[in-house]
Amino acid sequence: EIVLTQSPATLSLSPGERATLSCRASQSVTSYLAWYQQKPGQAPRLLIYAASNRATGIPARFSGSGSGTDFTLTISSLEPEDFAVYYCQQRSNWPLTFGGGTKVEIK
Amino acid sequence: EVQLVEAGGGLVQPGGSLRLSCAASGFTFSSCVMTWVRQAPGKGLEWVSTISAGGGSTYYADSVKGRFTVSRDNSKNTLHLQMNSLRAEDTAVYYCAKRSGVHGYMDVWGKGTTVTVSS
Repeated sequence: EIVLTQSPATLSLSPGERATLSCRASQSVTSYLAWYQQKPGQAPRLLIYAASNRATGIPARFSGSGSGTDFTLTISSLEPEDFAVYYCQQRSNWPLTFGGGTKVEIK
Repeated sequence: EVQLVEAGGGLVQPGGSLRLSCAASGFTFSSCVMTWVRQAPGKGLEWVSTISAGGGSTYYADSVKGRFTVSRDNSKNTLHLQMNSLRAEDTAVYYCAKRSGVHGYMDVWGKGTTVTVSS
């Protein structure tokens, strides 16, 4: 099973600041990685697929990078609606696995 | 509008059974791989099961293998998850999700249905 480790667990930032979230895989997933956003009481929403492609309707302030075992989600300038939990997920191998999540909270 | 609506959650005793459903609309259900993902209270996301578009291939997390069965009725645009021998650790919100045929990731999610296993 591929283990995805996200860091940090919590990121405390102010609106307008840049957020950098990390996801590290226990073995290579090439580019088979996605990022999801989840707000309290809501279902996850796909943000980034195949490591660096924005999903439909996702603002340009969200970007993804990386390949192999190290991936990054960057939010260039945090908007109030961006404070949420973010998960990475790989589909390189069965079983599908998710990272433990990074909570982006208001400082 | 593309939509997934889960139903069938509730309170069940340990060892009991429950059948979840997911009604799909707004897209060609029979062409899409479908997945169940769960989230225990205050915890992260956990993949549970995936079924191919035609239903001929199914995949399960080790934690549910032998106890849960995923199925689909393409004539009724409905996905099911039969859950038997339920344990306290199965308590979670269960989401169904559609896999995009373009890029292969879960691009549409239902709002979820809550399963509570407790005596």
